Amino acid sequence: GNSVTQMEGPVTLSEEAFLTINCTYTATGYPSLFWYVQYPGEGLQLLLKATKADDKGSNKGFEATYRKETTSFHLEKGSVQVSDSAVYFCAPPRQLTFGSGTQLTVLP
Amino acid sequence: GAGVSQTPSNKVTEKGKYVELRCDPISGHTALYWYRQSLGQGPEFLIYFQGTGAADDSGLPNDRFFAVRPEGSVSTLKIQRTERGDSAVYLCASSLGQLDEQFFGPGTRLTVL
Repeated sequence: GNSVTQMEGPVTLSEEAFLTINCTYTATGYPSLFWYVQYPGEGLQLLLKATKADDKGSNKGFEATYRKETTSFHLEKGSVQVSDSAVYFCAPPRQLTFGSGTQLTVLP
Repeated sequence: GAGVSQTPSNKVTEKGKYVELRCDPISGHTALYWYRQSLGQGPEFLIYFQGTGAADDSGLPNDRFFAVRPEGSVSTLKIQRTERGDSAVYLCASSLGQLDEQFFGPGTRLTVL
């Protein structure tokens, strides 16, 4: 069936480090792809999305490009902050199984 | 505009009791999802509605769990004969259509003593 595979965590970085969280998908492709974030003690919220192939989603300094040639939607940020510490989930539409996500901890 | 709301925010009940959890989706959203989340885990799918009908209920763990969405808007998750293992945060999400991003509610924390 259709699915995405996300890099397992946890990931620990120092402030201002570069972040990549890998996400690849199977199947023939999706109309759109999403990254969700869950900050400590809060619910999930959409971080960014891409609505077609080669589209780049961006928000809060995070970026992800929907690449059909590599079937990937990796999340990147050039300089992470302590406030970025959260769990990140990569998902296609109608995602029913989120997995455990990738826990990011940014140290000051 | 208003987001997804869930009531109650917290529910403490005793083993064996019946509980109802309510979800008010964003107005106009046709798709509605229920998940539960335990500490340190991602959301675990329970059931997905498209309109009034349950399009996929494969995540319901057993027949003690049931959900309805009679008018295609508000949904209620019902749990009979609660067990301590049912303790979790129950999340509701809605989306405009089945291909759109999901908007999550704040969750209901259920504690079964």
